[in-house]
Amino acid sequence: GAVVSQHPSRVICKSGTSVKIECRSLDFQATTMFWYRQFPKQSLMLMATSNEGSKATYEQGVEKDKFLINHASLTLSTLTVTSAHPEDSSFYICSAAVGSGGSSDTDTQYFGPGTRLTVL
Amino acid sequence: RKEVEQDPGPFNVPEGATVAFNCTYSNSASQSFFWYRQDCRKEPKLLMSVYSSGNEDGRFTAQLNRASQYISLLIRDSKLSDSATYLCVVNRDSNYQLIWGAGTKLIIKP
Repeated sequence: GAVVSQHPSRVICKSGTSVKIECRSLDFQATTMFWYRQFPKQSLMLMATSNEGSKATYEQGVEKDKFLINHASLTLSTLTVTSAHPEDSSFYICSAAVGSGGSSDTDTQYFGPGTRLTVL
Repeated sequence: RKEVEQDPGPFNVPEGATVAFNCTYSNSASQSFFWYRQDCRKEPKLLMSVYSSGNEDGRFTAQLNRASQYISLLIRDSKLSDSATYLCVVNRDSNYQLIWGAGTKLIIKP
C-alpha cells in the first residue's frame, strides 16, 4: 500500500523558535497533500491543502504566515511552524491523496504517522 | 451545528457483542463517506468506504442513509482488538477535502 512518512516524529522546542515538519510519499506521487492538526480528544482539523507547484489553500482561521507550507515536489511537502508558542503544541498529521481525481478510490488519503510538537 | 457529528462515547461493550454507532452530516451535497479507525496516539487508518448500497467487510457493515444524512457502522462479534476510536469522515467536495467527526470511542471488555 501507499506509504507516507513524516519527520520528525517528535519535537520539543522553545517558544519563539521555528519548526519544520516534512511529509513524504515514499512509493507514489501525490499531487495533493493535506496538513491536519489534532488536539487531545478532538477530531482532526484540516489546516491547509497543498498542491504541488502552487500556493497552499488555508482553512479559515489558520494563519498562512505562521504555518508556512511548501509543496516543492510530488513526493514532499513541508510545514513550518514559525515563532512557535505553547498553544501550537499539538499533533500534526499530513496525508497524501493518490490519483488524478474523478473516481471513488482517489478520495482515499494515506496518512503519515504524525509529528508531536511540544512548545515549552 | 458541526458538519459531522458523532457520539463521543465511550461505548463499553462485552467481547462478542454487536455494537453500532451513527454519524450525521450536514452537507447534503457530500458524496463520499468513510469510516476510519484510530488507535491511541496513532494516525487514523481507513477502515472502509461507505457506498450508497451499503457494504460489508467481514464483521463490519457500513450503511448510508442520504435522506436522513447519516452513516452507520455495525461491528459484529466484537474482539478486544476492536477497541479504538472510530472516526466518521465525509468529503467536502471533489478536491479530496475531508471533514472529520470527533470520533466514537469503543472499548471492548473481556
